[in-house]
This record gives sequence, C-alpha cells and structure tokens, in this order.
Amino acid sequence: NAGVTQTPKFQVLKTGQSMTLQCAQDMNHNSMYWYRQDPGMGLRLIYYSASEGTTDKGEVPNGYNVSRLNKREFSLRLESAAPSQTSVYFCASSELWDSNQPQHFGDGTRLSIL
Amino acid sequence: AQSVTQLGSHVSVSEGALVLLRCNYSSSVPPYLFWYVQYPNQGLQLLLKYTSAATLVKGINGFEAEFKKSETSFHLTKPSAHMSDAAEYFCAVGYQAGTALIFGKGTTLSVSS
Repeated sequence: NAGVTQTPKFQVLKTGQSMTLQCAQDMNHNSMYWYRQDPGMGLRLIYYSASEGTTDKGEVPNGYNVSRLNKREFSLRLESAAPSQTSVYFCASSELWDSNQPQHFGDGTRLSIL
Repeated sequence: AQSVTQLGSHVSVSEGALVLLRCNYSSSVPPYLFWYVQYPNQGLQLLLKYTSAATLVKGINGFEAEFKKSETSFHLTKPSAHMSDAAEYFCAVGYQAGTALIFGKGTTLSVSS
C-alpha cells in the first residue's frame, strides 16, 4: 500500500544545477500538490494540479516548474538551483481539488543546495 | 487574507499529562479544519477532520479536537500523553470551495518521562 511515493529521498546539488523531483500516487486521486517545508514556516504550496492536464501556481512558485505527466505522476523541476531552495519538499494528493479534501503526503525529498 | 494560527511553536509535557495544542482560524464562516501529525523524517499524516457533523471530533491515537465557532478555534487535545506522541503537529484550514488548504506553522510536541 504505497500511497504517495517520492524520489529521491535525499539530494545535494551545487548552485546552478538542475534537478527534477518525482512523485507518483497509486490512489487514483485527481489532485496533486508540491509543498516546501522550512523551519518555522510550516508548509508552503509551490504548485498544484487540480486535475490531469492542469497546473497552477501556489504561494511560492518562483524558481520552479511542474509537469503533470499523467494522472499518477506530478514532477517538480528546479531549472537553476539556488541556496534559498534548500528545503524539504513534499508531494501530496487528494481525491478532488477542494479545501474539504484531506491530503495524503509522501515522505519527502530532503534537498541541499551548496 | 485568510490565515491559521498555531499558538506555541513548542509544547513540552510529561508522560501521562494532558496535551493541548492550539489552533485559531480567521473567518466568520466555519471552514474545513484538519489536524495532521508529522513524525521525524516522515510526511504528514491525517489525525482528524472537522466535517460539521459534530463539534467534537475524534481522531487516531486518542486525539480529539473541539470546534468552537465563538472562539474561532479548533484545539487538539489528548488526555494522557505518551512518549510516542512526540512529533510535529499541523493545523490546516480550508476556507472556500475550490481553494487550497492553508497550513499553520506547526507545533512541536515533546514528551518527557
């Protein structure tokens, strides 16, 4: 019963390098999300995909791009990594795009940018 | 702007003591309310959800939360803390249909023996 799977779990990058974080869910959910978690800041929404074929910006989208590859997969790309993007990134999914929907989270990707 | 506030970034209790984690939201219209728990090096797990069916909501691991409209609060409680309850707890609020959840900044619960 995998739920939401994120890869990789850890990554160290140099400033300016690019990277794609992968996320897949096996719950047949329509909506998927990318968050970043920083100490004292809680979770901040980067991008979301309300349904397959759509993506929208969240609270902190600058420096990121996303792709909803299919219903299961939602990737997050850092084109030119910056030290300010050092964070823990979480992917989540929910059955529908609505604020009454509980979200299911992956275990996160811990990303350090030197 | 709509917001959610968790009072106290860190709460410490002794094993067996009452746990009280506070959450206040900013709306006159009752929103959708959630509590999540995050154990070290893991993602967030849903503890409980307020659905308007009852003001007292029971969740997993003996936790419960009470919705108080007059106080715009949804505090999380557990009568007797266990060492395994040590984690970070997040309150999340959904204000309108078709909008994203807003997460609080989290409260770290420490439990000492």
